[in-house]
Amino acid sequence: DAGITQSPRHKVTETGTPVTLRCHQTENHRYMYWYRQDPGHGLRLIHYSYGVKDTDKGEVSDGYSVSRSKTEDFLLTLESATSSQTSVYFCAISPGGLNYGYTFGSGTRLTVV
Amino acid sequence: TQLLEQSPQFLSIQEGENLTVYCNSSSVFSSLQWYRQEPGEGPVLLVTVVTGGEVKKLKRLTFQFGDARKDSSLHITAAQPGDTGLYLCAGLNSGNTPLVFGKGTRLSVIA
Repeated sequence: DAGITQSPRHKVTETGTPVTLRCHQTENHRYMYWYRQDPGHGLRLIHYSYGVKDTDKGEVSDGYSVSRSKTEDFLLTLESATSSQTSVYFCAISPGGLNYGYTFGSGTRLTVV
Repeated sequence: TQLLEQSPQFLSIQEGENLTVYCNSSSVFSSLQWYRQEPGEGPVLLVTVVTGGEVKKLKRLTFQFGDARKDSSLHITAAQPGDTGLYLCAGLNSGNTPLVFGKGTRLSVIA
């Protein structure tokens, strides 16, 4: 049982279209995160959530929005996709605290053409 | 913004060799974590260190947190092809702030 799943795993979309990526957890963890991973940049935080309806921006939040209406689901939306948003997107969960690491999903590879 | 610098960026070694990967910052972190990532998958947690000077061992992997809690190292003894992957260090400022990641060290162990 994975504990965290991302969908879809792969997506190709056209510039200007909206896109929503989903992260689902079965661990009941308080914290959920969206990162993007790009060559030369590593993992960069887009948005995160510290509870239902409680979210905050990360370092690369422009062009992205998130929603968390239930503990188990964290949605990332690209309002109008651009080619610069072509990337691999990872969701992560954590119970919080210094001694706990993150559990990552398997990622979504998004290509904007 | 707190930054974590990892070195080297790339490392290619023969099976059986030893290696050390470094993670450095000018900032103090409350804890440091190390992850390994394989192609097509998300990072997987290897270890968390929270006390300055702390050393943790995981089979052939030894992790150390610097005394000043600004740096960390990962040492692999007798590397094997299964150790191949991207190694990421990540720092936590407090229990509720998001992790800051280094850009990673890509390790290739050749049989």
